[in-house]
Amino acid sequence: AQSVAQPEDQVNVAEGNPLTVKCTYSVSGNPYLFWYVQYPNRGLQFLLKYITGDNLVKGSYGFEAEFNKSQTSFHLKKPSALVSDSALYFCAVRDTAGFQKLVFGTGTRLLVSP
Amino acid sequence: DAMVIQNPRYQVTQFGKPVTLSCSQTLNHNVMYWYQQKSSQAPKLLFHYYDKDFNNEADTPDNFQSRRPNTSFCFLDIRSPGLGDAAMYLCATSSKGQGSGYEQYFGPGTRLTVT
Repeated sequence: AQSVAQPEDQVNVAEGNPLTVKCTYSVSGNPYLFWYVQYPNRGLQFLLKYITGDNLVKGSYGFEAEFNKSQTSFHLKKPSALVSDSALYFCAVRDTAGFQKLVFGTGTRLLVSP
Repeated sequence: DAMVIQNPRYQVTQFGKPVTLSCSQTLNHNVMYWYQQKSSQAPKLLFHYYDKDFNNEADTPDNFQSRRPNTSFCFLDIRSPGLGDAAMYLCATSSKGQGSGYEQYFGPGTRLTVT
Protein backbone atom coordinates (compact mmCIF):
# COMPACT_ATOMS: atom_id res chain seq x y z
CA ALA A 1 0.00 0.00 0.00
CA GLN A 2 1.10 3.52 -0.67
CA SER A 3 2.04 5.65 2.31
CA VAL A 4 3.75 8.87 3.30
CA ALA A 5 5.46 9.74 6.55
CA GLN A 6 5.92 13.14 8.09
CA PRO A 7 8.49 12.61 10.82
CA GLU A 8 8.04 15.97 12.55
CA ASP A 9 4.90 16.92 14.43
CA GLN A 10 6.03 20.52 14.56
CA VAL A 11 8.64 22.69 12.89
CA ASN A 12 9.67 26.02 14.37
CA VAL A 13 11.43 28.66 12.31
CA ALA A 14 12.08 32.36 12.60
CA GLU A 15 10.58 34.72 10.07
CA GLY A 16 12.95 35.32 7.18
CA ASN A 17 14.76 32.01 7.63
CA PRO A 18 14.43 29.14 5.18
CA LEU A 19 11.99 26.40 6.12
CA THR A 20 11.80 22.69 5.34
CA VAL A 21 8.92 20.37 6.12
CA LYS A 22 9.88 16.74 5.60
CA CYS A 23 7.99 13.97 3.85
CA THR A 24 9.08 10.49 2.83
CA TYR A 25 7.04 8.10 0.76
CA SER A 26 6.61 4.41 0.13
CA VAL A 27 4.97 3.44 -3.15
CA SER A 28 5.02 0.74 -5.74
CA GLY A 29 5.58 2.28 -9.13
CA ASN A 30 5.90 5.96 -9.89
CA PRO A 31 4.72 8.23 -7.10
CA TYR A 32 2.21 11.01 -7.49
CA LEU A 33 2.95 13.33 -4.57
CA PHE A 34 1.15 16.37 -3.21
CA TRP A 35 1.46 19.04 -0.53
CA TYR A 36 -1.51 20.73 1.09
CA VAL A 37 -1.74 23.48 3.69
CA GLN A 38 -4.53 23.92 6.22
CA TYR A 39 -5.17 27.12 8.15
CA PRO A 40 -7.28 27.01 11.34
CA ASN A 41 -10.92 26.11 10.73
CA ARG A 42 -10.37 25.95 6.99
CA GLY A 43 -10.21 23.24 4.37
CA LEU A 44 -7.02 21.99 2.79
CA GLN A 45 -5.46 24.14 0.10
CA PHE A 46 -3.46 22.55 -2.70
CA LEU A 47 0.13 23.84 -2.80
CA LEU A 48 1.95 21.74 -5.37
CA LYS A 49 2.36 18.29 -6.87
CA TYR A 50 4.92 16.02 -8.44
CA ILE A 51 3.85 13.62 -11.14
CA THR A 52 6.79 13.55 -13.51
CA GLY A 53 9.47 15.84 -14.86
CA ASP A 54 11.74 18.20 -12.97
CA ASN A 55 12.61 17.14 -9.46
CA LEU A 56 12.13 20.68 -8.18
CA VAL A 57 8.48 21.60 -8.22
CA LYS A 58 7.30 25.16 -7.66
CA GLY A 59 3.94 25.88 -6.14
CA SER A 60 1.77 28.52 -4.57
CA TYR A 61 2.84 31.21 -2.08
CA GLY A 62 6.55 30.79 -2.86
CA PHE A 63 6.70 27.15 -1.78
CA GLU A 64 8.63 24.51 -3.63
CA ALA A 65 9.33 20.84 -3.11
CA GLU A 66 12.20 18.63 -4.10
CA PHE A 67 11.51 15.10 -5.28
CA ASN A 68 14.37 12.74 -4.44
CA LYS A 69 13.88 9.24 -5.76
CA SER A 70 16.94 7.71 -4.13
CA GLN A 71 15.92 8.98 -0.71
CA THR A 72 12.18 8.51 -1.38
CA SER A 73 11.58 12.02 -0.12
CA PHE A 74 9.47 14.98 -1.13
CA HIS A 75 10.39 17.78 1.25
CA LEU A 76 8.55 21.09 1.17
CA LYS A 77 10.73 24.20 1.21
CA LYS A 78 10.55 27.95 1.20
CA PRO A 79 13.57 30.26 1.06
CA SER A 80 12.20 32.87 3.46
CA ALA A 81 9.43 32.05 5.93
CA LEU A 82 6.59 34.41 6.79
CA VAL A 83 4.58 34.50 10.00
CA SER A 84 1.51 33.95 7.81
CA ASP A 85 2.96 30.58 6.71
CA SER A 86 2.15 29.23 10.16
CA ALA A 87 -0.31 26.41 9.50
CA LEU A 88 -0.72 22.64 9.30
CA TYR A 89 0.94 21.00 6.32
CA PHE A 90 0.00 17.63 4.87
CA CYS A 91 1.96 15.51 2.42
CA ALA A 92 -0.09 13.05 0.36
CA VAL A 93 0.43 10.34 -2.22
CA ARG A 94 -2.02 9.03 -4.78
CA ASP A 95 -3.06 5.49 -4.00
CA THR A 96 -2.59 3.59 -7.25
CA ALA A 97 -4.52 0.62 -5.85
CA GLY A 98 -7.56 2.74 -5.20
CA PHE A 99 -9.62 5.20 -7.12
CA GLN A 100 -7.48 8.34 -7.10
CA LYS A 101 -7.59 8.25 -3.35
CA LEU A 102 -5.09 10.42 -1.59
CA VAL A 103 -3.23 8.88 1.32
CA PHE A 104 -2.30 11.65 3.73
CA GLY A 105 0.55 11.91 6.16
CA THR A 106 -0.11 12.78 9.77
CA GLY A 107 0.60 16.46 9.23
CA THR A 108 3.29 18.85 10.42
CA ARG A 109 2.50 22.04 12.23
CA LEU A 110 4.70 24.91 11.09
CA LEU A 111 5.18 27.77 13.51
CA VAL A 112 6.95 30.86 12.21
CA SER A 113 7.95 33.29 14.91
CA PRO A 114 8.35 37.03 14.28
CA ASP B 1 -13.89 31.96 -9.18
CA ALA B 2 -14.52 28.26 -9.44
CA MET B 3 -14.78 26.76 -6.02
CA VAL B 4 -16.10 24.22 -3.55
CA ILE B 5 -18.72 25.53 -1.14
CA GLN B 6 -19.86 23.93 2.08
CA ASN B 7 -22.89 24.87 4.14
CA PRO B 8 -23.25 25.47 6.93
CA ARG B 9 -19.75 26.28 8.18
CA TYR B 10 -20.76 25.40 11.72
CA GLN B 11 -23.48 22.95 12.68
CA VAL B 12 -24.70 22.01 16.12
CA THR B 13 -26.91 18.97 16.51
CA GLN B 14 -28.21 16.90 19.36
CA PHE B 15 -27.16 13.37 20.11
CA GLY B 16 -29.18 11.06 17.87
CA LYS B 17 -30.79 13.83 15.81
CA PRO B 18 -30.22 13.40 12.05
CA VAL B 19 -28.16 16.07 10.36
CA THR B 20 -27.32 16.87 6.75
CA LEU B 21 -24.26 18.70 5.52
CA SER B 22 -24.12 20.07 2.00
CA CYS B 23 -21.44 20.65 -0.58
CA SER B 24 -21.61 22.31 -3.97
CA GLN B 25 -19.01 22.92 -6.61
CA THR B 26 -18.59 25.14 -9.63
CA LEU B 27 -15.53 23.28 -10.93
CA ASN B 28 -17.62 20.80 -12.91
CA HIS B 29 -15.52 17.96 -11.51
CA ASN B 30 -16.87 14.45 -11.87
CA VAL B 31 -15.55 13.15 -8.55
CA MET B 32 -16.71 14.36 -5.13
CA TYR B 33 -15.38 13.18 -1.79
CA TRP B 34 -16.37 13.43 1.86
CA TYR B 35 -13.73 13.38 4.57
CA GLN B 36 -13.89 13.43 8.34
CA GLN B 37 -11.11 15.26 10.18
CA LYS B 38 -10.62 15.26 13.93
CA SER B 39 -8.30 17.44 16.00
CA SER B 40 -5.76 18.40 13.32
CA GLN B 41 -5.35 14.76 12.31
CA ALA B 42 -5.12 13.69 8.70
CA PRO B 43 -8.46 13.73 6.88
CA LYS B 44 -10.16 10.34 6.78
CA LEU B 45 -11.99 9.46 3.58
CA LEU B 46 -15.58 8.37 4.18
CA PHE B 47 -16.76 7.84 0.60
CA HIS B 48 -16.65 9.31 -2.86
CA TYR B 49 -18.81 9.62 -5.95
CA TYR B 50 -17.48 9.15 -9.45
CA ASP B 51 -20.31 10.73 -11.40
CA LYS B 52 -23.28 8.86 -9.92
CA ASP B 53 -21.33 5.82 -8.79
CA PHE B 54 -21.08 5.71 -5.01
CA ASN B 55 -18.00 4.20 -3.38
CA ASN B 56 -17.97 3.60 0.33
CA GLU B 57 -14.76 3.10 2.31
CA ALA B 58 -14.74 -0.24 4.07
CA ASP B 59 -14.50 1.26 7.55
CA THR B 60 -17.11 3.99 7.14
CA PRO B 61 -19.91 3.39 9.66
CA ASP B 62 -23.42 2.75 8.35
CA ASN B 63 -24.48 5.84 10.26
CA PHE B 64 -22.98 7.90 7.44
CA GLN B 65 -24.78 8.15 4.12
CA SER B 66 -24.40 10.34 1.07
CA ARG B 67 -26.43 11.59 -1.85
CA ARG B 68 -25.38 13.22 -5.08
CA PRO B 69 -28.48 14.44 -6.92
CA ASN B 70 -26.49 16.11 -9.70
CA THR B 71 -22.94 16.97 -10.71
CA SER B 72 -22.80 20.12 -8.60
CA PHE B 73 -24.19 18.97 -5.27
CA CYS B 74 -23.35 16.31 -2.74
CA PHE B 75 -24.81 15.73 0.72
CA LEU B 76 -23.56 13.98 3.81
CA ASP B 77 -26.27 12.54 6.04
CA ILE B 78 -25.51 11.42 9.58
CA ARG B 79 -28.50 9.39 10.66
CA SER B 80 -27.90 9.26 14.39
CA PRO B 81 -24.96 11.40 15.42
CA GLY B 82 -22.98 10.31 18.41
CA LEU B 83 -20.54 12.35 20.46
CA GLY B 84 -17.72 10.66 18.57
CA ASP B 85 -18.97 12.11 15.29
CA ALA B 86 -18.07 15.64 16.33
CA ALA B 87 -15.45 16.66 13.78
CA MET B 88 -14.68 18.82 10.78
CA TYR B 89 -16.27 17.43 7.63
CA LEU B 90 -14.50 18.26 4.40
CA CYS B 91 -15.85 18.02 0.90
CA ALA B 92 -13.43 17.77 -2.00
CA THR B 93 -13.60 17.41 -5.75
CA SER B 94 -11.32 16.19 -8.50
CA SER B 95 -11.44 15.54 -12.18
CA LYS B 96 -10.91 12.02 -13.43
CA GLY B 97 -9.94 11.53 -16.99
CA GLN B 98 -7.25 12.27 -19.50
CA GLY B 99 -5.22 15.26 -18.51
CA SER B 100 -6.35 15.08 -14.92
CA GLY B 101 -3.79 16.37 -12.47
CA TYR B 102 -5.22 14.13 -9.75
CA GLU B 103 -5.17 16.90 -7.16
CA GLN B 104 -8.24 17.40 -5.03
CA TYR B 105 -9.81 20.74 -4.26
CA PHE B 106 -11.31 21.16 -0.83
CA GLY B 107 -14.15 23.23 0.54
CA PRO B 108 -13.75 25.21 3.77
CA GLY B 109 -15.34 22.47 5.84
CA THR B 110 -18.27 22.17 8.22
CA ARG B 111 -17.48 21.88 11.90
CA LEU B 112 -20.04 19.61 13.53
CA THR B 113 -20.72 19.78 17.24
CA VAL B 114 -22.86 17.10 18.90
CA THR B 115 -24.45 18.01 22.23
